[in-house]
Amino acid sequence: AQSVTQLGSHVSVSEGALVLLRCNYSSSVPPYLFWYVQYPNQGLQLLLKYTTGATLVKGINGFEAEFKKSETSFHLTKPSAHMSDAAEYFCAVSETQAGTALIFGKGTTLSVSS
Amino acid sequence: DSGVTQTPKHLITATGQRVTLRCSPRSGDLSVYWYQQSLDQGLQFLIQYYNGEERAKGNILERFSAQQFPDLHSELNLSSLELGDSALYFCASSGRGGGNTIYFGEGSWLTVV
Repeated sequence: AQSVTQLGSHVSVSEGALVLLRCNYSSSVPPYLFWYVQYPNQGLQLLLKYTTGATLVKGINGFEAEFKKSETSFHLTKPSAHMSDAAEYFCAVSETQAGTALIFGKGTTLSVSS
Repeated sequence: DSGVTQTPKHLITATGQRVTLRCSPRSGDLSVYWYQQSLDQGLQFLIQYYNGEERAKGNILERFSAQQFPDLHSELNLSSLELGDSALYFCASSGRGGGNTIYFGEGSWLTVV
C-alpha cells in the first residue's frame, strides 16, 4: 500500500527566507508524486507533479520539488518566501496509472512572518 | 476555477439525518473521487467512480454511499449522521490523460449538530 509522510505539521519562515517542506513516500511501484496547496476556505490547487522524466519539477508560484528515488523523497522548496505563500501544503502519491486515487499526507501548514 | 462544481457549499443538519452532496466534474472527465477532510483524520480518500462504475474504495463508512450518473455527475449520500461526520467533503475529477492530475472542487462543508 502507498503512504505519504510529511515531516513537520507546521513550518514557520520569515519573508524572503527559503521554504523547505518535507515529504517521504512509500510505494511498491514507481509512483506519481504531487504537491497541492490549500488556502483558507478554498479547495486544493495543484502546485506541481512528478510523473516521469526530469526529477526536478518546477511548479507554479516559484515552487519546485525534486524526486529522489534512493531517498523516497519529494521535498518542496521555494528560494524566497512571500506572505502570500502562507497556506496548507499537501504531498500526495498515486500509482503510475491514469485514474488512480491520490493518497495524501497529513499536510504542513506554512506560516510566513514579515 | 478548477471546473469541478460542488453543491451545497455549506450544510448544517442534525444527528441521525441524511444528506446528499452533489458534484459535477470537469467537462469530459470520466473519473470522480470523493474525499473527506477533517482536523483529526486529514484528507481521506472515500471512493472513486469511473464512467458510472465504482473503481476504488477507500475509508468510506457503510453509512455512506455514492453513485455516478450517466451524465457523469456524482452524488455522495451520508446517512444516520453523527457529530463526527462533520467535515469538509471534496469532490475531484480526472481525465484519461497521463500524469493523473486530479482537480478538486471547493468542497461542501457539513456540520452535524
